[in-house]
Amino acid sequence: DAGVTQSPTHLIKTRGQQVTLRCSPKSGHDTVSWYQQALGQGPQFIFQYYEEEERQRGNFPDRFSGHQFPNYSSELNVNALLLGDSALYLCASSLRPEEAFFGQGTRLTVV
Amino acid sequence: AQSVTQLDSQVPVFEEAPVELRCNYSSSVSVYLFWYVQYPNQGLQLLLKYLSGSTLVKGINGFEAEFNKSQTSFHLRKPSVHISDTAEYFCAVSDQGGSEKLVFGKGTKLTVNP
Repeated sequence: DAGVTQSPTHLIKTRGQQVTLRCSPKSGHDTVSWYQQALGQGPQFIFQYYEEEERQRGNFPDRFSGHQFPNYSSELNVNALLLGDSALYLCASSLRPEEAFFGQGTRLTVV
Repeated sequence: AQSVTQLDSQVPVFEEAPVELRCNYSSSVSVYLFWYVQYPNQGLQLLLKYLSGSTLVKGINGFEAEFNKSQTSFHLRKPSVHISDTAEYFCAVSDQGGSEKLVFGKGTKLTVNP
């Protein structure tokens, strides 16, 4: 089992651009959550997908959007990038509420 | 809504010494409690979790934590640390209603010195 895999591992974007991050959940997991971890901070919940629908959303602007595919993989899209969007983006997958497995993250740098 | 406070941002200790990382939480509903570890440039790895039952929870790498409902605390302990335990540690909560959303503290940087 490959666990949760995220791609790419690093990327650099320019202010105003758009970015798409990808996540493949652990085998058999049907729920995917995304978190943003700014430097020196704990992860903050962005949103969660289940059965291809956004089930919960944290306090993030509409520039952050996502998608879940029938195979449970997921994408996080961020439009009109700001310098403050620079962070480690973590994907977590789960089958039960009390068990989340995290990927290694995507480090996004906005310049 | 839940919140988590990790009382120490940095904890330096010597190798083979005991350590305690403190975590307090606030919630109006029953919660699940978690400790995660993050090594540099890595994702989060689950150390241990409290769901119900015994308040003393044992996890991986010799760590344990005790749930104290009256003090709303979930402190992490290890009797003897190793250099390899140097990492960032995060306490997190989720509500037992099944939302699966984790609320994290700001983390405690544990540095183990020789």
